[in-house]
Amino acid sequence: GAGVSQTPSNKVTEKGKYVELRCDPISGHTALYWYRQSLGQGPEFLIYFQGTGAADDSGLPNDRFFAVRPEGSVSTLKIQRTERGDSAVYLCASSLNPLGGSKNIQYFGAGTRLSVL
Amino acid sequence: AQTVTQSQPEMSVQEAETVTLSCTYDTSESDYYLFWYKQPPSRQMILVIRQEAYKQQNATENRFSVNFQKAAKSFSLKISDSQLGDAAMYFCAYRRWGGATNKLIFGTGTLLAVQP
Repeated sequence: GAGVSQTPSNKVTEKGKYVELRCDPISGHTALYWYRQSLGQGPEFLIYFQGTGAADDSGLPNDRFFAVRPEGSVSTLKIQRTERGDSAVYLCASSLNPLGGSKNIQYFGAGTRLSVL
Repeated sequence: AQTVTQSQPEMSVQEAETVTLSCTYDTSESDYYLFWYKQPPSRQMILVIRQEAYKQQNATENRFSVNFQKAAKSFSLKISDSQLGDAAMYFCAYRRWGGATNKLIFGTGTLLAVQP
């Protein structure tokens, strides 16, 4: 596609529910990243995929958070038993490849605003 | 661990004037990238400018330029001839050179207002 697409744009859920957030990266981009942006803060890294595998998941806050990228394109961020503290904007980014040079620029989607009531 | 600090939560500039946004960072590495991203109310982060640490020459993109002081670990953004469309949150970000992780480390941002 022309850019990174994230759906839904906004998601409202109740505490304890399960949610899935979807990211469709730029076509041909092998690297995909998830970030979380809390109100008034900069984005914080969650997980990075190279192809289908999670190369770095050190930013996932706990085992309620999980992400997949089964075919090396679309990725889904899954949050179980949501808590009010999970409320944030979840941003996805992709890059052509993770190595040096101009190809490592991360292009971001518009994010999903998650509100846990 | 690397950190990025933006000490100006808000800045204001008159249209057509010049403004400088500050950023400092902490790292023990010698090779890395630095970025400025713009985030308008639409939430989409847009890359403004990028600097490789090994390059001594400051990066420039049209009205945007940086002052990169490696020894001082400072990376400020200068916006010349400010336009109303420049109003947004601006984030400074750091990325390691190579390695297994390619994550960006962001500062807390500076909200720029442009007065007509």
